[in-house]
Amino acid sequence: AQSVTQLGSHVSVSEGALVLLRCNYSSSVPPYLFWYVQYPNQGLQLLLKYTSAATLVKGINGFEAEFKKSETSFHLTKPSAHMSDAAEYFCAVSEGGATNKLIFGTGTLLAVQP
Amino acid sequence: EAGVAQSPRYKIIEKRQSVAFWCNPISGHATLYWYQQILGQGPKLLIQFQNNGVVDDSQLPKDRFSAERLKGVDSTLKIQPAKLEDSAVYLCASSLEPSGNIQYFGAGTRLSVL
Repeated sequence: AQSVTQLGSHVSVSEGALVLLRCNYSSSVPPYLFWYVQYPNQGLQLLLKYTSAATLVKGINGFEAEFKKSETSFHLTKPSAHMSDAAEYFCAVSEGGATNKLIFGTGTLLAVQP
Repeated sequence: EAGVAQSPRYKIIEKRQSVAFWCNPISGHATLYWYQQILGQGPKLLIQFQNNGVVDDSQLPKDRFSAERLKGVDSTLKIQPAKLEDSAVYLCASSLEPSGNIQYFGAGTRLSVL
């Protein structure tokens, strides 16, 4: 069965510092992997998506993630945090196919300190 | 392009009452999903439609939850009777087709059951 583990339910960084949000997955087949961001009282917005092309995926707002099969990881990074990055971030996995059901992690709340 | 529309945004009911949520997906999207997001957790799929047929409802509590997608466009999710543990945000998402495609989320309906 697929599952997603996000280490750290809360992460706090200073403005301008590196952002690193961790995600590990388990899947019996090559997965599709996603990072979504959720701002307060809003729905989820796609940041980036991995679908077995390049292992380094660039997304919106300066975020990127690297797929490492040997570590079953898909960590999200951004070189320099901005105040507007404060939000909750969800990693999700899907095996594609007929349902393409997304299995989400429990989320990481990112706080950015001035 | 209009996004996924959901209404109402907020709903407060007492336990044992009934409630209904409405979703209008992005035009042309054949696949529609309903997710339940309990506070502090990632979204969990309740039901997936492909056009007006159910693809996956394995995690839908069918004794109290029901959903329909008449005419393969908008959808309604109903809870009857509601329990305290149904307090959550109910998210609707849509995609062009299931496999590997991006799911676009609405802003959600926040349900409080008292």
